[in-house]
Amino acid sequence: NAGVTQTPKFRVLKTGQSMTLLCAQDMNHEYMYWYRQDPGMGLRLIHYSVGEGTTAKGEVPDGYNVSRLKKQNFLLGLESAAPSQTSVYFCATRGRGWNEQFFGPGTRLTVL
Amino acid sequence: GESVGLHLPTLSVQEGDNSIINCAYSNSASDYFIWYKQESGKGPQFIIDIRSNMDKRQGQRVTVLLNKTVKHLSLQIAATQPGDSAVYFCAENKRPWGSSNTGKLIFGQGTTLQVKP
Repeated sequence: NAGVTQTPKFRVLKTGQSMTLLCAQDMNHEYMYWYRQDPGMGLRLIHYSVGEGTTAKGEVPDGYNVSRLKKQNFLLGLESAAPSQTSVYFCATRGRGWNEQFFGPGTRLTVL
Repeated sequence: GESVGLHLPTLSVQEGDNSIINCAYSNSASDYFIWYKQESGKGPQFIIDIRSNMDKRQGQRVTVLLNKTVKHLSLQIAATQPGDSAVYFCAENKRPWGSSNTGKLIFGQGTTLQVKP
């Protein structure tokens, strides 16, 4: 089993460009999350989903959109990238345990 | 507002010694407190959690202590090994009253544990 995978692993964008980050999971988990991690800071929740077809805002949702059309996939979109969105993005899933989240390997995004 | 913070950004210990990583929190209403480990270039990995009505919980080579009086959480690692070198995050899970647990976690800034051979 692959667990949680993220594509791409690295990406460089110019200001104003758009892109979509894909998170895929094969654990049949209902809950999925998108975080960003900046140097010297912990992870901050961008958006999350409690099941197929649902999404909700997290702590720092501005500038991002998400979709959960299929249970196994959670997409994070940047419509018009800004340098402030340079970060490492992590996707995570949650099974029955309230506190154990399973993280993907991350996507390093640089916006010039 | 809510915040979870760690006392020291970096902790250096000798292999075989015990490590203690500390964390302070401000939200007394959290249901659970959790520790995650993040190795270089990887996503965080769950280590252990403790419910807010407990003082201590033990796992394999790890112990988490919760002092609600001073709002302090610590992670103790016994006989620290080179493989323990990582960034350690404390986090809290607060469930709004009457709602289901969505698993929204609030993470602290992290402490880097360096293990010297």
